Amino acid sequence: AAGVIQSPRHLIKEKRETATLKCYPIPRHDTVYWYQQGPGQDPQFLISFYEKMQSDKGSIPDRFSAQQFSDYHSELNMSSLELGDSALYFCASRSRDRTGYTFGSGTRLTVV
Amino acid sequence: AQSVTQLGSHVSVSEGALVLLRCNYSSSVPPYLFWYVQYPNQGLQLLLKYTSAATLVKGINGFEAEFKKSETSFHLTKPSAHMSDAAEYFCAVSFGNEKLTFGTGTRLTIIP
Repeated sequence: AAGVIQSPRHLIKEKRETATLKCYPIPRHDTVYWYQQGPGQDPQFLISFYEKMQSDKGSIPDRFSAQQFSDYHSELNMSSLELGDSALYFCASRSRDRTGYTFGSGTRLTVV
Repeated sequence: AQSVTQLGSHVSVSEGALVLLRCNYSSSVPPYLFWYVQYPNQGLQLLLKYTSAATLVKGINGFEAEFKKSETSFHLTKPSAHMSDAAEYFCAVSFGNEKLTFGTGTRLTIIP
């Protein structure tokens, strides 16, 4: 069965650089969520999209932005990277029956 | 706002012993409840979910959880622990079309 695909798996950036993370949801899932998981922390909700429109916003810094495209893939854009942005970033998609969330394997971002 | 509380950030059990990981939720409306497992440097894997059907939910790897409305609990159990069960476990809650909110996690250690 198709899963949520995230790319890249690993990313190393320097401070003040920009990064773009991509997420390809399961086909016919209509909602995408982005989460940030710092070392030893639980996943924290950043932002979500329903049918390509932003549906909810969590603790996402102003330096970050995201969008969902016509093919339902989503991108998380991160600018002016800081050391504290080093984390595992997960994307999840949700089925139309509203009961299933499926997570991707995550992108590990390291800011040096 | 919805939330879950996981009691015990670290739990150690002997191989073959009962595993019990505790999760309590707060909600004014019926929630959807989930347990996820995360192995080191890996993504979140769904163990099981409660979506207002049967209160006793069976998941993968021999895990199960019982939704108890009177106790606002959704504890995760497994009759006999295996070494391969060592991981971080997250309880999570969602309501309707909202995002998943995670507990702070419980690290399960299996003692040989």
